[in-house]
Amino acid sequence: AQTVTQSQPEMSVQEAETVTLSCTYDTSENNYYLFWYKQPPSRQMILVIRQEAYKQQNATENRFSVNFQKAAKSFSLKISDSQLGDTAMYFCAFMKQTGANNLFFGTGTRLTVIP
Amino acid sequence: GAVVSQHPSWVICKSGTSVKIECRSLDFQATTMFWYRQFPKQSLMLMATSNEGSKATYEQGVEKDKFLINHASLTLSTLTVTSAHPEDSSFYICSAEKLVGKSYNEQFFGPGTRLTVL
Repeated sequence: AQTVTQSQPEMSVQEAETVTLSCTYDTSENNYYLFWYKQPPSRQMILVIRQEAYKQQNATENRFSVNFQKAAKSFSLKISDSQLGDTAMYFCAFMKQTGANNLFFGTGTRLTVIP
Repeated sequence: GAVVSQHPSWVICKSGTSVKIECRSLDFQATTMFWYRQFPKQSLMLMATSNEGSKATYEQGVEKDKFLINHASLTLSTLTVTSAHPEDSSFYICSAEKLVGKSYNEQFFGPGTRLTVL
């Protein structure tokens, strides 16, 4: 079974500063995907970034980047130059590469960007 | 694009009645759709996987006779909450799977449906 753990229920960051959200996971799979999703107050789930486990290079998407440590089963999200629109719930998620494409979500981190 | 819609966006019903929620992939075909449930301030919990033309696969603890899923076409899956009770009040989110690139299936999420059972 796969489990995803987010140990930070809430975080805050000053506008324009950098913040890092933590995520750890447990799996016996060797090939899989990891994701960070954003859920703003509208409740619409938005994919922020995706990482393939077989890639050593950390994924980046503009102001968003990850620190993927496969051996440690750690997958943190760094948000640079935080903006007010980044205020949202952030969910870390896991998906196997083969077989059922179920997404396993962490419990989420509520991020507040302070003006 | 990959847009997924849900209808209705919110619904209030009386205890004992049934409610149908639709999930549509608007600009792509989806063999597989997923139904999630999200309680306030909690994460998304997968309820079932909906496969076009076959029976849905339910997660452990989800009553298949209470949460009826029908995936009648490649663009539509429906979730019917039968004999709804107040404890079924929740936010229901669907996602539709689309092949992106050569081998990766990404889930695109609908905007969710808020169900309140009185």
